Amino acid sequence: NAGVTQTPKFQVLKTGQSMTLQCAQDMNHEYMSWYRQDPGMGLRLIHYSVGAGITDQGEVPNGYNVSRSTTEDFPLRLLSAAPSQTSVYFCASSGTSHRNEQFFGPGTRLTVL
Amino acid sequence: DAKTTQPTSMDCAEGRAANLPCNHSTISGNEYVYWYRQIHSQGPQYIIHGLKNNETNEMASLIITEDRKSSTLILPHATLRDTAVYYCIVSVISGTYKYIFGTGTRLKVLA
Repeated sequence: NAGVTQTPKFQVLKTGQSMTLQCAQDMNHEYMSWYRQDPGMGLRLIHYSVGAGITDQGEVPNGYNVSRSTTEDFPLRLLSAAPSQTSVYFCASSGTSHRNEQFFGPGTRLTVL
Repeated sequence: DAKTTQPTSMDCAEGRAANLPCNHSTISGNEYVYWYRQIHSQGPQYIIHGLKNNETNEMASLIITEDRKSSTLILPHATLRDTAVYYCIVSVISGTYKYIFGTGTRLKVLA
């Protein structure tokens, strides 16, 4: 099991550029989520999904889009990057029951110039 | 949504027990308390969780008060490798499942 994988590990964008952060899990988990972590801060929930075709907004969804076409993949799209989106992005997955632990990926460090 | 409150930072001597408190006074009856930790810039790592009974695993113990308004994570013999940010999280249910992280406690284990 690879667990939760994220690509790329590092990315530098210019303001206004778009990109997709990739997240995949091989544990057949229904629940997946995206968080961002700014320097010295805790994690903030961006979007989450409880299964293929179902997504919902978290605490800080503005500027991000998600889709969930398969159980395994949950990409995060930045349509027009802004410097305020400079952050470390973590993807996580867990089983359907909320008693299950969340497994986190290694993170993507994004810098927007 | 239940929120958690934790001290910003704590120190602990190596080999001693580290007791990390968390307040969650608005927790609902069917919400669980989870603890995670984050070492450096890695993804958070699950430690333990519980509903109302005390729990213990190979990493830590979780003590939840009878009224469920607060809990304490206990690392029985802290080592330098336990230096990390520890997050107390209450599982939030609003038709679906959401996990809201607080600001966490930065634990520094001193040699």
